Amino acid sequence: AQSVTQPDIHITVSEGASLELRCNYSYGATPYLFWYVQSPGQGLQLLLKYFSGDTLVQGIKGFEAEFKRSQSSFNLRKPSVHWSDAAEYFCASREDSSYKLIFGSGTRLLVRP
Amino acid sequence: EPEVTQTPSHQVTQMGQEVILRCVPISNHLYFYWYRQILGQKVEFLVSFYNNEISEKSEIFDDQFSVERPDGSNFTLKIRSTKLEDSAMYFCASSESGTGEETQYFGPGTRLLVL
Repeated sequence: AQSVTQPDIHITVSEGASLELRCNYSYGATPYLFWYVQSPGQGLQLLLKYFSGDTLVQGIKGFEAEFKRSQSSFNLRKPSVHWSDAAEYFCASREDSSYKLIFGSGTRLLVRP
Repeated sequence: EPEVTQTPSHQVTQMGQEVILRCVPISNHLYFYWYRQILGQKVEFLVSFYNNEISEKSEIFDDQFSVERPDGSNFTLKIRSTKLEDSAMYFCASSESGTGEETQYFGPGTRLLVL
């Protein structure tokens, strides 16, 4: 069955430092891949998505993610983190034949001043 | 920017009671979804809905759950007889189409507590 793994439950970085959040998926074909962010009291907001083409995708708020088929990964990166980036980040995938998004367990990002 | 809205933001109910969670999807969207997140667990898919029919549902979505689009704007999730384990955050989402790469836009959620 399709699954998404986010190995890091919490990550703490200093403001201005770079960030990488890990995501691995399991699926035979190339799935559709998404990163969502959830701030307290807010819904899930799409940061970026990948479905074909260039394996490096740019998103909102200065985020990018790289699809690596060989590693079954879709890691989220940001070169310089801002305090407002503190939130929970969810990686998700979707099969072509299904409507449902399958989510990872999320990574909570804390930003040190 | 258009957004998905959900009411209420919080709901407390007694076990065995019926609850209806309401959502207003983005106005030109045709596909609607419910997900839930039990505290400390993953966000889980419950159901998708298109053209007044359920298009896909998970094994969680059993007979105690139902969905409806009672008018042109609302999309509801009914839990007929709530159980303690139904306590969770329930998210509504909508999308313009049902294709794989289409973005699902999420509402802020309704936190349901069953006592």
